[in-house]
Amino acid sequence: NAGVTQTPKFRVLKTGQSMTLLCAQDMNHEYMYWYRQDPGMGLRLIHYSVGEGTTAKGEVPDGYNVSRLKKQNFLLGLESAAPSQTSVYFCASSYSGRGVRETQYFGPGTRLLVL
Amino acid sequence: GENVEQHPSTLSVQEGDSAVIKCTYSDSASNYFPWYKQELGKGPQLIIDIRSNVGEKKDQRIAVTLNKTAKHFSLHITETQPEDSAVYFCAASEAAGNKLTFGGGTRVLVKP
Repeated sequence: NAGVTQTPKFRVLKTGQSMTLLCAQDMNHEYMYWYRQDPGMGLRLIHYSVGEGTTAKGEVPDGYNVSRLKKQNFLLGLESAAPSQTSVYFCASSYSGRGVRETQYFGPGTRLLVL
Repeated sequence: GENVEQHPSTLSVQEGDSAVIKCTYSDSASNYFPWYKQELGKGPQLIIDIRSNVGEKKDQRIAVTLNKTAKHFSLHITETQPEDSAVYFCAASEAAGNKLTFGGGTRVLVKP
């Protein structure tokens, strides 16, 4: 199993450009998450999904959109990138949100630089 | 919402010594507390977790303790080794759903 994979690994954008980050998992997990990681602030939840076709807002959703058209994929979109969105983005997945199956598995991250 | 504070932000220890990282949380409804280790250039990886019905859990050189009354939990690493050098994150999960709130992280350096 590849686990959680993220595409691309690194990207440079100009202010106002758009892009989509792709997350894929091959563990048949129901739940998927997008986090951003900034120095000294840990990881903050952007959006998450509890199943195919569902999405919900996390702690810092502004400026981002997501879609979960297939169970194994979770897309994060930036419609008009801003320098404040320079960050490292991590995708994670888990079987469910309750009990012993709630462990979140993280991907390797996407480093995004917005100029 | 939940707020998780983590201390210290950096920790330097001599190989073989113990390392302790402490976290506090604000939401008394939180019931799941994982700890993640992040190596340079990689995603966080779960190393141990504890649930609110347990006060302590141990896995080889790693242990976690939870004090629900005081709303704090700690990670203890004994007999530290150079490969323990990494950034460690604590987190707390709301009772409903699985939204993790992370602490700010602790950079641990184990000096040989």
